[in-house]
Parts: sequence; C-alpha cells; structure tokens
Amino acid sequence: AQSVTQLGSHVSVSEGALVLLRCNYSSSVPPYLFWYVQYPNQGLQLLLKYTSAATLVKGINGFEAEFKKSETSFHLTKPSAHMSDAAEYFCAVSETQGGSEKLVFGKGTKLTVNP
Amino acid sequence: DAGVIQSPRHEVTEMGQEVTLRCKPISGHDYLFWYRQTMMRGLELLIYFNNNVPIDDSGMPEDRFSAKMPNASFSTLKIQPSEPRDSAVYFCASTRGSGRETTGELFFGEGSRLTVL
Repeated sequence: AQSVTQLGSHVSVSEGALVLLRCNYSSSVPPYLFWYVQYPNQGLQLLLKYTSAATLVKGINGFEAEFKKSETSFHLTKPSAHMSDAAEYFCAVSETQGGSEKLVFGKGTKLTVNP
Repeated sequence: DAGVIQSPRHEVTEMGQEVTLRCKPISGHDYLFWYRQTMMRGLELLIYFNNNVPIDDSGMPEDRFSAKMPNASFSTLKIQPSEPRDSAVYFCASTRGSGRETTGELFFGEGSRLTVL
C-alpha cells in the first residue's frame, strides 16, 4: 500500500524566513502527490498537486514542491513565510493512477510563524 | 457556488446514543468521501462512494459505523451506539471523476466535531 511520511509534526519559522516541510512517499507505481492546507476549524484545501508532468509544481499562496523520484520526496517550500501561512499542512498520495481515489494522508505538520 | 456542507458542526452526546452526521456534496461531483481526524491517528479514510455506490468501506472501524448515500446530493454517517473513542472531527469531501480518472482535488466540508461523553 502507498503511504506518506511527514518529517516533523511541528515546524516553527520566523516571518520572512524560508519554509520547508518534508514529505517522503512510498509507492510501487508512479504516484500522484498532493499538498493540502488546513486552517483552524476548517476543512482541508488543495495547495498543489503533482501528476507526472513537471517535477517542480507551483501552488497557491507562493508555495511550491519538487518531486524527486530518486529520493522519493515531495517537499513543500516557500521562500518567505507570512503570518497567514500558520496552519497545518498535509502531504497525500493517490493509490490509483489518475487521481484522488483513496487519497492517503500523512499525519500533518503544524507550521507556526513567529513575528 | 456552495461548497460541501456538513451538519451538525458540533455534536456532544452521551455514550450509547446514536449519532448521525450529514453531508451535501458539491453539485455535479460523483465521488464522496468520509474521513475521520484525530490527534493520535491523523486523517483516516472511512468510506467512499462513486455514483452513490459504496466502493471501499475498509476504513470503517467496526459495525457500529454505517454510511449511506441515498442520492447524489446527500450522504449520512451513522454511529450506533457511540463510544467516547469515537470523539473526533468527521470530514466529508467530494470530487468530480471521469471514469477511472479524477481531478485529484478533494473539496472538504468544514467538518463535524463529535464529542462522546
């Protein structure tokens, strides 16, 4: 079965600093990979997705992620953190070719942005 | 356009009581998912439907849990009898598929926070 591992349940950065949230996946077939964000008391929203086109994927709010097959990684980055980026971030993998059937989520990484 | 609508937003009940959570997916979406979120276990897929038919219910914890989708615009998740360990936030999500392909984007409701005393 496919799975994702998010390294670090909590990450704290200063406003304006680089954001790096780590995700490694396990898959026997080319995966579809996703990053979702959850703001307090809300549901999850899609940030970006990798579907085997470009390996560098740009998402909303200035976030991007790079698919590295050799490292089985899909880390999320943002050059400069903003206070509004404080949220919980989830990496996810699709277990089927083509999309979101049985999307399997990581445990999440809570991002704190300090002024 | 309205998003995924869940009700109730909060439910507090006593052990042994029946709990029914409701979900209205986005119009035109043919996949519907129920997830449960807890601190200990994160986000777990409980069950999902395609065109109102349950496709995979392997994540449903036990027989106390049941889910139905009587039509394209409504689904319920029922727990009977409820137990304290069922306390969690339950999310409904929907998406549009095209045969075996889906867009890859799930649209989540705001969740139903269940507390079983």
